[in-house]
Amino acid sequence: AQSVSQHNHHVILSEAASLELGCNYSYGGTVNLFWYVQYPGQHLQLLLKYFSGDPLVKGIKGFEAEFIKSKFSFNLRKPSVQWSDTAEYFCAVLLPFNAGNMLTFGGGTRLMVKP
Amino acid sequence: EAGVTQFPSHSVIEKGQTVTLRCDPISGHDNLYWYRRVMGKEIKFLLHFVKESKQDESGMPNNRFLAERTGGTYSTLKVQPAELEDSGVYFCASSQDIQLAGRTDTQYFGPGTRLTVL
Repeated sequence: AQSVSQHNHHVILSEAASLELGCNYSYGGTVNLFWYVQYPGQHLQLLLKYFSGDPLVKGIKGFEAEFIKSKFSFNLRKPSVQWSDTAEYFCAVLLPFNAGNMLTFGGGTRLMVKP
Repeated sequence: EAGVTQFPSHSVIEKGQTVTLRCDPISGHDNLYWYRRVMGKEIKFLLHFVKESKQDESGMPNNRFLAERTGGTYSTLKVQPAELEDSGVYFCASSQDIQLAGRTDTQYFGPGTRLTVL
């Protein structure tokens, strides 16, 4: 069964620091990759997604992620975080030709940005 | 455009009772999914509807869980009888198309229902 690993469960940064959250998955075929974010008291929102093409994907709020197939990774980055980026971040994988069409999530990373 | 809505936002029940969660997908979305996150664990898939049909219910934990989507609009997830380990946040998501020329549509999530079983 496919699995998704997010290596950092909790990350604390100061404002303006750079962010990189790791995500690795365990499937050798074609995958679709997602990063979702859940701000305090809000629902899960899509940050960015990769289906095909350019492996460097840009999302909302200055986030980007790079798909490295050889490393089975899809790390999320932001050059300068803000206090408002405090949230929980989820990496997810979907097999596009899987009839089930379900997302497999990593365990989530809680990011706290200190003002 | 209204997003995915879920009701109630919180539910506290005692072990052995019944609870019904409701999800209203985005209008026009044929695909509806249920996921669950128990405390400290990852979000896990429960089942997937395409219109009113269950496409995949491989993630349903046991027969105490019953999901329906009559008429292909809103969906309910009933837990009967509830057990302590059913506590968690239940998310609903919807998407328009499963596969469109090899691409997969994005799933949009609701705010979740936090279920606490005492």
